[in-house]
Amino acid sequence: NAGVTQTPKFQVLKTGQSMTLQCAQDMNHNSMYWYRQDPGMGLRLIYYSASEGTTDKGEVPNGYNVSRLNKREFSLRLESAAPSQTSVYFCASSEQANTEAFFGQGTRLTVV
Amino acid sequence: GDSVTQMEGPVTLSEEAFLTINCTYTATGYPSLFWYVQYPGEGLQLLLKATKADDKGSNKGFEATYRKETTSFHLEKGSVQVSDSAVYFCALRGRNFNKFYFGSGTKLNVKP
Repeated sequence: NAGVTQTPKFQVLKTGQSMTLQCAQDMNHNSMYWYRQDPGMGLRLIYYSASEGTTDKGEVPNGYNVSRLNKREFSLRLESAAPSQTSVYFCASSEQANTEAFFGQGTRLTVV
Repeated sequence: GDSVTQMEGPVTLSEEAFLTINCTYTATGYPSLFWYVQYPGEGLQLLLKATKADDKGSNKGFEATYRKETTSFHLEKGSVQVSDSAVYFCALRGRNFNKFYFGSGTKLNVKP
């Protein structure tokens, strides 16, 4: 049972570099999410996708783009990384209605 | 808008002590409520949930009751163990089923 798989697990970037965080789920869920977790601030929603072909901004979308490639995959792109984007990034998925979200193991990103 | 407020940590307890972590919420309508647990270096795992008023969620000795009159979903455990040391997040899924809202997390340290 793979659930939600994120790659990579760790990444160090230089300021201005770009990268894409990958996320895939094998539970046939419609909804997928990207969160960032910073100390003392809980989880903040960056973008979400309610279904294949749709994406919407969350609480902190600036500096990020997303692609819902198909029902399984939802990627997060940093076009020009900044130190303020140093964080732990979590991908999650859920069915619609009143069910829980399932989380990946996270990507720890450091921008120097 | 919807939001979750939970008690700040860290909370430090001795093994076998009673645990309460307070969580209150603001939401229109009837949200679903969740408690997640995060162990060091890992993603969030669902601990328990409740989808309607007066429901009690329970798992691994933890319990929480959905109280609509006080808009609360406090987490309790009668006797904590060292292995319960983790960060606990309260969350809700509101009328906009596409979004989850998380509290800032409460770190629990249990000493032998």
